[in-house]
Amino acid sequence: DVKVTQSSRYLVKRTGEKVFLECVQDMDHENMFWYRQDPGLGLRLIYFSYDVKMKEKGDIPEGYSVSREKKERFSLILESASTNQTSMYLCASSSFGTSGAYNEQFFGPGTRLTVL
Amino acid sequence: QKEVEQNSGPLSVPEGAIASLNCTYSDRVSQSFFWYRQYSGKSPELIMSIYSNGDKEDGRFTAQLNKASQYVSLLIRDSQPSDSATYLCAGQMNRDDKIIFGKGTRLHILP
Repeated sequence: DVKVTQSSRYLVKRTGEKVFLECVQDMDHENMFWYRQDPGLGLRLIYFSYDVKMKEKGDIPEGYSVSREKKERFSLILESASTNQTSMYLCASSSFGTSGAYNEQFFGPGTRLTVL
Repeated sequence: QKEVEQNSGPLSVPEGAIASLNCTYSDRVSQSFFWYRQYSGKSPELIMSIYSNGDKEDGRFTAQLNKASQYVSLLIRDSQPSDSATYLCAGQMNRDDKIIFGKGTRLHILP
C-alpha cells in the first residue's frame, strides 16, 4: 500500500513565524503535491514537484515555498505565517503512467494549521 | 464552465438504497477520472479510477464514464451509514495532465 505521511496532524503557530510542513512517501513516486483545503473552496494546489530539486507553482503559490532535496520528501514552507494561511494542508504523491501522464494521487493524513 | 463540476449537496439517501453521485467536465479535461471519498476532518481516499467509456465495478461501487455527454458518475449500491462522506470527482487536464478536483458532493445516508 502507498503510504504518505505528514509531520504533524495539528499545528498552532503565531503570525510571522516560519513554518515547515513535511511530507514523506514510501512508494518511490516521482510526483509530489501540496494542497490546501478550505470549506467551500475545495482543494487548491499550492506547489508540486515532478523530480528531485524540481518545483512548479500551482494555483496559489503566494506566501509559500517548497523544497525537494530527496525523492521521498517534499516540504512546504510558510516564510512568515499569516492568519489567512490557517487551513488544512494536504500532501499527495503519484507516479507517471506509461503514457507519461500523471497517475492517481494518494494523500497523506493532512495537517490542520492554525495561525494565531 | 469549470473544469470539473459537482453538486455540493447534501444528497440524502436511505440506507440500503442506491446513491448516485454525478460530475460533469469541460473540454479541457481528458479521459482519466478518479473518485475520492473524504470523511469529515480526514484526507481524501481513492475509491476508483476510470479511463474508458462505460462502467467499471468494484464491490458496491460502480463508476460510469460518458465521454459524449462529458459526465462521470459514481453509484453506491446498498448504501450504508458509513458511506456518509464527501465525494470528490477529479479529472486529468488535457494541456498538462494535471489532475483537477471538483469541490465535492456531501452524501448523507439516512439510517
